[in-house]
This record gives sequence, structure tokens and C-alpha cells, in this order.
Amino acid sequence: GENVEQHPSTLSVQEGDSAVIKCTYSDSASNYFPWYKQELGKRPQLIIDIRSNVGEKKDQRIAVTLNKTAKHFSLHITETQPEDSAVYFCAAKYSGGGADGLTFGKGTHLIIQP
Amino acid sequence: EPEVTQTPSHQVTQMGQEVILRCVPISNHLYFYWYRQILGQKVEFLVSFYNNEISEKSEIFDDQFSVERPDGSNFTLKIRSTKLEDSAMYFCASTEKDRNQPQHFGDGTRLSIL
Repeated sequence: GENVEQHPSTLSVQEGDSAVIKCTYSDSASNYFPWYKQELGKRPQLIIDIRSNVGEKKDQRIAVTLNKTAKHFSLHITETQPEDSAVYFCAAKYSGGGADGLTFGKGTHLIIQP
Repeated sequence: EPEVTQTPSHQVTQMGQEVILRCVPISNHLYFYWYRQILGQKVEFLVSFYNNEISEKSEIFDDQFSVERPDGSNFTLKIRSTKLEDSAMYFCASTEKDRNQPQHFGDGTRLSIL
């Protein structure tokens, strides 16, 4: 089955700086890669996703890049703000017949230092 | 914005007892999921449900677990003969039209087994 590795486990950046979180996946058939933000005691909230037919997707201060050959994808947050502090999870999935569940990484605790 | 709702927010149960966790998916969504997150660990897929039957299940989802859509709105997860290691946050999620759409999560039910 799919295995997703996520790094780093903790990331501390100064407010206003950029943050990058990286994930690798094992199953070359995976073609859907969402990123979730989870604040303490709250639900995982989808912040951006990318499908394997594109290499990059951007939404305001958030962007995701995908390298299918190397089987890794990254989340980029620019101009970080205190409200960006949370745990971020990457996930992977094969969008084909019978494959429904997301495989998550272990999460990155992002700390924005004022 | 429509949300997935889950009840109760916290459930405390004696080991060996049965517990039912309840979810109301977003009203026009067709695929439903259960995930669990043991404290400090990654989110793990349990089961997906479509057209009144299980679509996919993980190795975690053994005979101790069952799911049901008893009416047009609720989606339940039943855990029989609970064990200490069942203590976790259980998240329900749903997608709109098919398994390839983004999954939207509820706030979760924290299950504590004593």
C-alpha cells in the first residue's frame, strides 16, 4: 500500500518568512495530493490540493509543487502569519476504482514566531 | 458553508462496552468516510461507504467495527467490545459526487476507553 513520509516534524519560522513542508510517497499510481491544516482540537481542514496532471498550484500565500518522477510534493507558505501556526498534514491517494482512503503523513507542527 | 457534523464531541466508555459514533455528512454528498487519529499520531483511514455499502476498508477495520446509514442523513460507526487502544479521535468525512472529490472532515469525536 501507499506510504507517505513528511518532513520536518516541527518547523519554526519568523513571522513574515516562508515555510516549506515536504512529503514523499511510495505508490507511483497515486495521483491526488491534498494538504490539510489542523489546529489544536479541531478538524483537519483542506487548504489546497493538487492532481498529478499539473506540477504546481497556487492559492494566495499557499502553493503546492509536485514532482511525479521523484514522487515528492511540497507545501509552500509565504509571508507567514501567527494564524498559520498549526499542524499540517500531507496526504496521497490513487483516484481510481476502489481506492477511497487518503494516506496521511505524520504531520508538521508549524510554529510562527512573532 | 455546509459542514460535516459529529456527535458527541467526547465519549467516555468502559472497556468492553459498545459505542456508536454519529455523523451527519454534508447533505448533497454521496461518499462517506471514517478515519481515526490516535493522540499525537497521523490520521488513519478506516472505511468508506457509498450507495449503502462499504466501498473500501483498511486493515484496522476488522469485525469489531461496523458502519451504517440508518436514515437519509446519519452515518454511524459502531465499535463493539471496545479496547483501551480504541481510544482516539474519530473523524467522519464526506465527498460530493465521487471518490475523486476533496474530502471534508467533521470536528471529530474524542473516544476515551477506561
